[in-house]
Amino acid sequence: TAGITQAPTSQILAAGRSMTLRCTQDMRHNAMYWYRQDLGLGLRLIHYSNTAGTTGKGEVPDGYSVSRANTDDFPLTLASAVPSQTSVYFCASSAGGPTDTQYFGPGTRLTVL
Amino acid sequence: GQNIDQPTEMTATEGAIVQINCTYQTSGFNGLFWYQQHAGEAPTFLSYNVLDGLEEKGRFSSFLSRSKGYSYLLLKELQMKDSASYLCAVRDGDYKLSFGAGTTVTVRA
Repeated sequence: TAGITQAPTSQILAAGRSMTLRCTQDMRHNAMYWYRQDLGLGLRLIHYSNTAGTTGKGEVPDGYSVSRANTDDFPLTLASAVPSQTSVYFCASSAGGPTDTQYFGPGTRLTVL
Repeated sequence: GQNIDQPTEMTATEGAIVQINCTYQTSGFNGLFWYQQHAGEAPTFLSYNVLDGLEEKGRFSSFLSRSKGYSYLLLKELQMKDSASYLCAVRDGDYKLSFGAGTTVTVRA
């Protein structure tokens, strides 16, 4: 099985442009998460969804939005990118919800110029 | 916010043992995770502790003391492929994961 896939693998984006990072899982996991990883800071939670149709804010949600229309997909949108959003973005999922182990996708490397 | 501390870097020789410490202060506690992350790759799950004590899984063991807010990951019989970053993560009272900045382990021949 594919597990969790993310697209694109990498992207260079001009400041002020919008961008949607895609995340799809085929494990029928209930909960999904978006993190960003920056050097020296570790992974930080942006948004999460405990089940389809619900979303919540994490530690660093400003400038990002998410939706969870179905179980499999959890896109992350940057409405107007800024250079501080240059980072590696990881999507993760957990089977039963927030009480279960999280498994990560391969990541998207985003550079905002 | 949450506070999770682990050393930035460690170096060890192939075949040796390395212990990576993690101390934490969080709002509530619902388990501690260790992940391994090779450069340019996704974090992969290694271990989970929710009760005090040692969990052993092959060459890797993880220990937890909830009263001390302390955990360690023990890597035995080090191999070159163990060169990676090791991430300590604590699940808080709201079931959110907070990560430490990671410890980069370099294994030398």
